[in-house]
Amino acid sequence: GESVGLHLPTLSVQEGDNSIINCAYSNSASDYFIWYKQESGKGPQFIIDIRSNMDKRQGQRVTVLLNKTVKHLSLQIAATQPGDSAVYFCAENIGGNKLVFGAGTILRVKS
Amino acid sequence: EPEVTQTPSHQVTQMGQEVILRCVPISNHLYFYWYRQILGQKVEFLVSFYNNEISEKSEIFDDQFSVERPDGSNFTLKIRSTKLEDSAMYFCASNKRTGGNTEAFFGQGTRLTVV
Repeated sequence: GESVGLHLPTLSVQEGDNSIINCAYSNSASDYFIWYKQESGKGPQFIIDIRSNMDKRQGQRVTVLLNKTVKHLSLQIAATQPGDSAVYFCAENIGGNKLVFGAGTILRVKS
Repeated sequence: EPEVTQTPSHQVTQMGQEVILRCVPISNHLYFYWYRQILGQKVEFLVSFYNNEISEKSEIFDDQFSVERPDGSNFTLKIRSTKLEDSAMYFCASNKRTGGNTEAFFGQGTRLTVV
């Protein structure tokens, strides 16, 4: 879901379970989407991207799904590990000059 | 693996003072960006830079802000007269963007604290 300020949505999962993080984007003209992971005190780190002419893309342990009809993006992480704990942001690219970031979701992995 | 580097990692400055945040983008990248993130909030676009000029800027990027690529490697963000609300993490990013969109690589950020 969406949130602002300090009240980021939090997803808590057990180590080894699958995680699904959701994002609603704003602009139907967006043609490129990226998921970033941000650990405390660090910059956003690229996870996976998808172009608007695709609806699914898989990486290593991660899958991104794009539903342009409802402007929804999701990130699936298989076999979630403690090192996956971070804040996850979706970002949409509008016109190629900038990224517009979502509010972020905190992922907490319980051992 | 090549990376975007930023200096300093933390800058404390008094309100009204000028600060310059420095970045060295990845060497073969052509597009450069500054973003900022206020504590606990999302990352916000400030400015994009290509071919030695600003290609887009946000409402945040007012007359107090400027960017420069003084040589072939550095990319700087200057805030002329800092305000308390400028306190944030500032991230530099770069990408190649040849042949379509590609991901932007981010630096580790500079934490700016205005007191």
